[in-house]
Amino acid sequence: KNQVEQSPQSLIILEGKNCTLQCNYTVSPFSNLRWYKQDTGRGPVSLTIMTFSENTKSNGRYTATLDADTKQSSLHITASQLSDSASYICVVSRDNYGQNFVFGPGTRLSVLP
Amino acid sequence: EAGVTQSPTHLIKTRGQQATLRCSPISGHTSVYWYQQALGLGLQFLLWYDEGEERNRGNFPPRFSGRQFPNYSSELNVNALELEDSALYLCATLHTNVLTFGAGSRLTVL
Repeated sequence: KNQVEQSPQSLIILEGKNCTLQCNYTVSPFSNLRWYKQDTGRGPVSLTIMTFSENTKSNGRYTATLDADTKQSSLHITASQLSDSASYICVVSRDNYGQNFVFGPGTRLSVLP
Repeated sequence: EAGVTQSPTHLIKTRGQQATLRCSPISGHTSVYWYQQALGLGLQFLLWYDEGEERNRGNFPPRFSGRQFPNYSSELNVNALELEDSALYLCATLHTNVLTFGAGSRLTVL
């Protein structure tokens, strides 16, 4: 079954600290893996997109890694800010059609002052 | 350019009623995807419209339907509302491999 699992379910950190969110998937075939940030009550916003051949991609303080062999990805956030408080969603695409995107349940990150 | 816009922001209905949600894609984008995001669950694919035609639908009952207009805007209709239809409904466009979402419509069924 095509699934995306994320851990932890929720995370609380202090402002300025780093954190790492995990994503494991069993989706096949694999086209690419995306990380999205979703603020409360808003739509998800794309952070990174990685294909099979890419094992790391950065977007400012966000760095995503991909191990296609073990079917794992991580999102590392450096020097967290209060505005990083959001849900982070891992999405695995089976192709480039939106109906074949498999979404994880998200990790809820809270950054406290 | 304006992003994907959705209306209404919030909608409260009672069981058995009908709900209509609207989406305007980014100018020039012809594909519209609808997703349901229930509390604590990942987004679930509902419907895909492109060039005015329904191209695919997810594993949802027929009371979930919609259409796409000549200007590529789209409507999602949910008939005979049930309590479990309470969710955030997201519209998105896919362009150059980037899926861009609207802010969503929060539907609450009482």
